[in-house]
Amino acid sequence: DGGITQSPKYLFRKEGQNVTLSCEQNLNHDAMYWYRQDPGQGLRLIYYSQIVNDFQKGDIAEGYSVSREKKESFPLTVTSAQKNPTAFYLCASSIRTSGGLTDTQYFGPGTRLTVL
Amino acid sequence: KQEVTQIPAALSVPEGENLVLNCSFTDSAIYNLQWFRQDPGKGLTSLLLIQSSQREQTSGRLNASLDKSSGRSTLYIAASQPGDSATYLCAVRRGTSYGKLTFGQGTILTVHP
Repeated sequence: DGGITQSPKYLFRKEGQNVTLSCEQNLNHDAMYWYRQDPGQGLRLIYYSQIVNDFQKGDIAEGYSVSREKKESFPLTVTSAQKNPTAFYLCASSIRTSGGLTDTQYFGPGTRLTVL
Repeated sequence: KQEVTQIPAALSVPEGENLVLNCSFTDSAIYNLQWFRQDPGKGLTSLLLIQSSQREQTSGRLNASLDKSSGRSTLYIAASQPGDSATYLCAVRRGTSYGKLTFGQGTILTVHP
């Protein structure tokens, strides 16, 4: 089955620790994205990557880092510099088309991070 | 800066009603607009995508319209069912091919039997 997987589903972190959230896709999509969702709010973009070995900061990149060494994988590290990391984190991917006519983003099931 | 607002924040209706969810955006220079569905604690599922040159898209009981000049989109759900209960989010893609999505805060829909 093609799709996006995120792990773990739930993650608990102590203050001062870095944690890494996994995102894997087998849709052969070039572009991948990380979003953060807080209760009662829409999604906010953290980082995105249009192609392997390239990524760009989104609207709220401070305290986060990413890598894109493989097309299928786009892990997100939440560092101790992120002051309020408790949230629901969603990964997405899309086809990178020059015409841009079909660029629906497909989302993973999410990881809920709680800082203790 | 693009801002997306969804009204109402929550909606509760009896089964069978036709209903309308609203989405407004401040910058009309969008590339496209998407409507998503999110079940509690889950990821997003894309429902409809409307390109900036289009006026509407339909899928089954769902119809989405786009009025770019006035900065508005509506999602129409016909003959609502309890299984339609979820949060509905709209998102606009900014005006470049690889532009980023800006999301509204969502409308929580409850359809009761």
